[in-house]
Amino acid sequence: DAKTTQPNSMESNEEEPVHLPCNHSTISGTDYIHWYRQLPSQGPEYVIHGLTSNVNNRMASLAIAEDRKSSTLILHRATLRDAAVYYCILRAYQGGSEKLVFGKGTKLTVNP
Amino acid sequence: DTEVTQTPKHLVMGMTNKKSLKCEQHMGHRAMYWYKQKAKKPPELMFVYSYEKLSINESVPSRFSPECPNSSLLNLHLHALQPEDSALYLCASSPRDTFSYEQYFGPGTRLTVT
Repeated sequence: DAKTTQPNSMESNEEEPVHLPCNHSTISGTDYIHWYRQLPSQGPEYVIHGLTSNVNNRMASLAIAEDRKSSTLILHRATLRDAAVYYCILRAYQGGSEKLVFGKGTKLTVNP
Repeated sequence: DTEVTQTPKHLVMGMTNKKSLKCEQHMGHRAMYWYKQKAKKPPELMFVYSYEKLSINESVPSRFSPECPNSSLLNLHLHALQPEDSALYLCASSPRDTFSYEQYFGPGTRLTVT
């Protein structure tokens, strides 16, 4: 079954880039990689998603390894407002139905 | 308006009580979701509604009863809950009931069962 593995926590300094890794070695060819983040006392918020190619949007970039067994969420300049739990998620088919398989999340601390 | 609202923000209920959680969105989304989130864990999907019909029930106990009265509203009726049901209950919506679309989450209802 699809599964993602993330570090429990990471720290960064304000205005520096942050690279959040995710391992998904059991990914299959049709599984999409999604990232959501959850700020304190809020519901999760969509960040970015991709399949094979690297993706950019106004919030972040997603770098996907050529073999798709890992990916990295890149925040180009961390701010204090980026402190959150970041979830790496696979959109996968399991048991004949579509599912979102959440990782356990990485808690990002941003230091001023 | 890209907001999903949930009421109440906090709820304390006894094991014999009946209560309801409410969720509302006005983005014209046709899929709505209930998730349960325990402390320091990722959200777990409970139910999916597509075009106001229940399409996914992730083997949730019958003491949780969802209802979708119209395309903008989603309720979760609670009855005879257990203390282990205490959690943050999140509602989300998306344009269609495929997970390829971005989901918009509400802030959640923090439920405590005593």
